[in-house]
Amino acid sequence: GQGVEQPDNLMSVEGTFARVNCTYSTSGFNGLSWYQQREGHAPVFLSYVVLDGLKDSGHFSTFLSRSNGYSYLLLTELQIKDSASYLCAVRANNNRIFFGDGTQLVVKP
Amino acid sequence: EAAVTQSPRNKVTVTGGNVTLSCRQTNSHNYMYWYRQDTGHGLRLIHYSYGAGNLQIGDVPDGYKATRTTQEDFFLLLELASPSQTSLYFCASSDADNSGNTLYFGEGSRLIVV
Repeated sequence: GQGVEQPDNLMSVEGTFARVNCTYSTSGFNGLSWYQQREGHAPVFLSYVVLDGLKDSGHFSTFLSRSNGYSYLLLTELQIKDSASYLCAVRANNNRIFFGDGTQLVVKP
Repeated sequence: EAAVTQSPRNKVTVTGGNVTLSCRQTNSHNYMYWYRQDTGHGLRLIHYSYGAGNLQIGDVPDGYKATRTTQEDFFLLLELASPSQTSLYFCASSDADNSGNTLYFGEGSRLIVV
């Protein structure tokens, strides 16, 4: 079947880093995106990857391995305001886009 | 940046009631999506469309109808609302090219069915 899996929670310390993992299974992979969502608000787009490897976008970097159905979002130099839910989304055939349940990141001082 | 507007933002209805959620996007995107989000969960796809008159079934379509009347407008219809449909509903749009993974979301419509 098709699905996206993420850990429910992640905790890290201000000034360090956090890696949010995502595994997926799908028929016909057409790219993977990461979104940030704060309580009561709409998701906000962070990054999109379709080729294997690491995509460095400064504060946010994204890795993809299509053969393993795996991606991660890496946040560096964490700030308290990075505390939020991070959603992984996969685009499958016919532009069907489905999400994981999200990982709640808490950044502690 | 794409503009996606949802209405109403908040709605309370009774069990068995009829509800229409509206979504309009003004950036000429081909694809539009309806998701629901429940506490502690991600977004679950209800229906989506790639153009006026088109409808694709998502992952949780039961109890929902949808209609894409124009490229701009996508409606979600609950003809016999049930308490299980109490949720936060998001509409989103995207283009059909290689950037099609970028979803532009509306602010959400919170529906309560009592």
